Amino acid sequence: KNEVEQSPQNLTAQEGEFITINCSYSVGISALHWLQQHPGGGIVSLFMLSSGKKKHGRLIATINIQEKHSSLHITASHPRDSAVYICAVEKTSYDKVIFGPGTSLSVIP
Amino acid sequence: EPEVTQTPSHQVTQMGQEVILRCVPISNHLYFYWYRQILGQKVEFLVSFYNNEISEKSEIFDDQFSVERPDGSNFTLKIRSTKLEDSAMYFCASRTTGVEQFFGPGTRLTVL
Repeated sequence: KNEVEQSPQNLTAQEGEFITINCSYSVGISALHWLQQHPGGGIVSLFMLSSGKKKHGRLIATINIQEKHSSLHITASHPRDSAVYICAVEKTSYDKVIFGPGTSLSVIP
Repeated sequence: EPEVTQTPSHQVTQMGQEVILRCVPISNHLYFYWYRQILGQKVEFLVSFYNNEISEKSEIFDDQFSVERPDGSNFTLKIRSTKLEDSAMYFCASRTTGVEQFFGPGTRLTVL
């Protein structure tokens, strides 16, 4: 069983739409990461969360530790947001990161 | 802004050849990692490195793989005898206390 699951697997949105990507995990964690991977392959860290909520520009990440669930929201989506968004967890501090399968987002003008 | 760099960006090799993938982590970072991503699949952990030794390795990281931090700046991944199934994107990452991992741009390894 995968330790990190994401939904949806693929998502197509119109420019301007509010987008939500969900992540659930089955292990105890010290932190959860949201990452972005563009078609060229590079990985960029968006957020690292251990509780509550973080906001950066149009991106908001939330986590509910009791429910083992996190969401990534994108407000006023734009075609440049098109990428794969990956949820990943670390079980203990400075541990390896365990990656989810990713959600492929395509924002259409 | 400091960043993790990796060379080469793309390596093509023949099956059975040795390859060395190089990474320069961010200078004050203490924890180093290699991950790989086979095309169309999720990113998988290979190995973590701290205090000049391996702290954890996955089942993938068998005797064909080794890591080194030869000079205090570079962090290398060596594959002794490449197989077709080693074809993947290899990512290096580093971190220091209290912050997220910073990933390099990746090296695409193609084994023919």
